[in-house]
This record gives sequence, C-alpha cells and structure tokens, in this order.
Amino acid sequence: GDSVTQMEGPVTLSEEAFLTINCTYTATGYPSLFWYVQYPGEGLQLLLKATKADDKGSNKGFEATYRKETTSFHLEKGSVQVSDSAVYFCALNRVESGGSNYKLTFGKGTLLTVNP
Amino acid sequence: GAGVSQSPSNKVTEKGKDVELRCDPISGHTALYWYRQRLGQGLEFLIYFQGNSAPDKSGLPSDRFSAERTGESVSTLTIQRTQQEDSAVYLCASSRFWNTEAFFGQGTRLTVV
Repeated sequence: GDSVTQMEGPVTLSEEAFLTINCTYTATGYPSLFWYVQYPGEGLQLLLKATKADDKGSNKGFEATYRKETTSFHLEKGSVQVSDSAVYFCALNRVESGGSNYKLTFGKGTLLTVNP
Repeated sequence: GAGVSQSPSNKVTEKGKDVELRCDPISGHTALYWYRQRLGQGLEFLIYFQGNSAPDKSGLPSDRFSAERTGESVSTLTIQRTQQEDSAVYLCASSRFWNTEAFFGQGTRLTVV
C-alpha cells in the first residue's frame, strides 16, 4: 500500500538557519504530493503541493520539488523564523484503480522548533 | 459553510459509553476523510468516503468503530463501548478532487475516563 516516510524529529534550529525535512514515498502510479503544517493550537493547513514530477511547490519561503526518480519531496527553507515552529506533515494522494477512489496518506509528522 | 466543521469540539465520556462525532464538510467536496491523532503522534488514517461510499475502511481500529455519510455531506463517526485508548483528537477533512487541497476541521478531542 501507499506510504510516506518522514525524517524523525524533533528538529531544533536557530533563527535564520537552513531547514531540510526529508520525505520519501511509496505509491504506484502518479500521486500528488503535499506538505501540511500544524501550528501550535491550530488545525492542519496546506503549506504547498506538487501534482506531477519535477513540479516545485512553494509558499511562505518554503519549497519542495517532486522527484519521481528518487520518490522524494523534501521540504526546504533558506532562513527559518521563530514563527515557523510547528509540526510538518508530508502527504500523498492518488487515484486508485478504476479512477474513482482516492485516499490521502500522511507521514508521521516532524516537529520543528526554531529558537531566537 | 466556509470550512469543515466538527462537533463537539471536546467530549469527555465514561469508559464503556458510546459516542458520536460529527463532521460537516465543505459543500461540493466529494471526498471526506477521518483521521485520529493521539497526543504527540502523527495522523492515523481511519476511513474515507467517496460520495456516500467508503471504499477504504482499512484504518478502523476495531469493530467498535463505524462511520457513515449521507447526502454526500455530513459524516458521523461512532465509537461503541469506548476504551481509554480511544482518547485522541479525531480529525475530519474534505477535498473536491484527489489532487486538490484537503481542508481540515479543528477536530474533536475525545477523552475517555
């Protein structure tokens, strides 16, 4: 079945440091890939997405490139801020056989803490 | 409505009681998902609906858990004879298509005492 593997946290960085959170996936076909973020005390919300190979999703200074050859979708940011402290979830969605069913599969999440 | 709405937001129940959790998705969203998030853990898939059908129930932890969706809208997750290990935040999400954003509700925090 489909699966998403994220680097285990927690990840602790100083402000302005470079961030990478690794994400790899296993799925047949051509999934769409997502990063969701959960800020403290808030619900999950979409951060960025990519729907086909070599697409780059970007938002709020975060980027991730859909690499089909390595089945990866690593999240990066060049200079993190304290306000980026949150849990980050990598996810995939794809159409199952028959084209009518699809499910959204999440990784376990990575807690990021950014210190001033 | 403007977003995915879940009710109640908090529920405290005694062990052995049944509970019903409700999800109102965004109008027009064909897919609806239920997840469970235990404290400090990731998202555990429970079930999803395509329209009113549930093609994948593989995530339901036991036969104490059931869910239904009617009118391609509201969904109810029912937990019978609750146990302490059922304590978690139950999240609902909906999306229009498979490759579009899923919108999450704020969740129902269930505590079994």
